[in-house]
Amino acid sequence: KQEVTQIPAALSVPEGENLVLNCSFTDSAIYNLQWFRQDPGKGLTSLLLIQSSQREQTSGRLNASLDKSSGRSTLYIAASQPGDSATYLCAVTGLWDKVIFGPGTSLSVIP
Amino acid sequence: DTGVSQNPRHKITKRGQNVTFRCDPISEHNRLYWYRQTLGQGPEFLTYFQNEAQLEKSRLLSDRFSAERPKGSFSTLEIQRTEQGDSAMYLCASSLSEVYSGELFFGSGTQLSVL
Repeated sequence: KQEVTQIPAALSVPEGENLVLNCSFTDSAIYNLQWFRQDPGKGLTSLLLIQSSQREQTSGRLNASLDKSSGRSTLYIAASQPGDSATYLCAVTGLWDKVIFGPGTSLSVIP
Repeated sequence: DTGVSQNPRHKITKRGQNVTFRCDPISEHNRLYWYRQTLGQGPEFLTYFQNEAQLEKSRLLSDRFSAERPKGSFSTLEIQRTEQGDSAMYLCASSLSEVYSGELFFGSGTQLSVL
């Protein structure tokens, strides 16, 4: 059974700092890994999708890496801004395209 | 196409009543997923469909929950005899999975409050 964990559960940083969010999964037989952002009371917004054959993906100030063999992914956010404050969730797609989520990391960027 | 649409946005009901939620996925997407999310937690898998076929239903779901996707288009999630513990955000997502497993797109969710 696939289990996904995220560390830390919460993070508070001053504006402008670079930061790393971590995601771990127990079953390395995945098709892809996706990072999402969720604002309070809202649905999820897709940030980056990494296919199992890829090592990383970049979008603007975001960079996500994937090490399938060790069951880990990181989301790197450069030059953080107050608008980046949200919950960040990772999700892995496994056999038959079943998608399992981690519990999320709540990020607060202090002006 | 405006993305995944969920209705209603909010639902308040009394314990014991039945409720039904609707999800309209992105039109060409063959996969449709339902999740439940409570405050401070990640989305919890409920069930998913490949076109009209229901592939799996979470063992966490009681028989009070049922989902359908007739004709492989929109989907409904029904909760019978609601309980206070059913209060949560119900999220729908869709994706296009062919050669590669596709990116998941979410609707805004339906917030259920059971009084």
